[in-house]
Amino acid sequence: AQSVTQLGSHVSVSEGALVLLRCNYSSSVPPYLFWYVQYPNQGLQLLLKYTTGATLVKGINGFEAEFKKSETSFHLTKPSAHMSDAAEYFCAVSDPGAAGNKLTFGGGTRVLVKP
Amino acid sequence: DVKVTQSSRYLVKRTGEKVFLECVQDMDHENMFWYRQDPGLGLRLIYFSYDVKMKEKGDIPEGYSVSREKKERFSLILESASTNQTSMYLCASSWPGTDTQYFGPGTRLTVL
Repeated sequence: AQSVTQLGSHVSVSEGALVLLRCNYSSSVPPYLFWYVQYPNQGLQLLLKYTTGATLVKGINGFEAEFKKSETSFHLTKPSAHMSDAAEYFCAVSDPGAAGNKLTFGGGTRVLVKP
Repeated sequence: DVKVTQSSRYLVKRTGEKVFLECVQDMDHENMFWYRQDPGLGLRLIYFSYDVKMKEKGDIPEGYSVSREKKERFSLILESASTNQTSMYLCASSWPGTDTQYFGPGTRLTVL
C-alpha cells in the first residue's frame, strides 16, 4: 500500500521568502507524484507532476518540485512567495500499474503568507 | 477546459436521511472518483468508477454507495446519513491511462 506524509500541517512565510513544502512517500513501485493546490472554497488544481524523466519538475505559478528516489521525497518549492500563494497544498502518489489511476493523498499543508 | 460540476456547494441534512450528491463532467472522461476531505486527513477515496455501471471500492466505502448510469454522471449516495459523514465531498474525473485528475468545487455536507 502507498502512503504520503506531508511534514507540517501549517506553514507561515513572509511575502518574498522561500516556500518549502515537504512530502515523503512510501511505495512498493516507482510512483507517479503530484502536487495539487486548493484555494479557498475551490476544488483542487494540479500544480505539477512527475512521471518519468527529469527529476526536477516545473509547474504553474513559479512552483517546482524535485523527485529524490533515494530519499523517497518530492518537496515543493517556490523561490519567492506571493500573497496569492495562500492556499492548501496536497502531495499525492499513484501506482502507474494499477487500474483506475487512483491517487493517495497526504494530509495537506496550509500556507499562510504574511505581508 | 475540463469542467467538473457538483450539484450543490452546501447541503444540510438530518441523521437518517438518504442523501444524493451528483457530479457531472463534460470531457468524456472514463474514470470518475469520489473523495471526502477532512482537516489533517487530506483526501480519502470513497469509490471510483472506470466505466459506465462499473464501480470499485476505495479506502473508506462504508456507509456509501455510488451509481454511474451515464458516462458523464457519477452519484454518491449516503443511504442513511450520520453525523460522522459531515465533511467536504470532492468529485474528480480523468482519462484512462493518465493520472491527472480534474476536480469539482466540492460539496460541504453537514449532517445534524
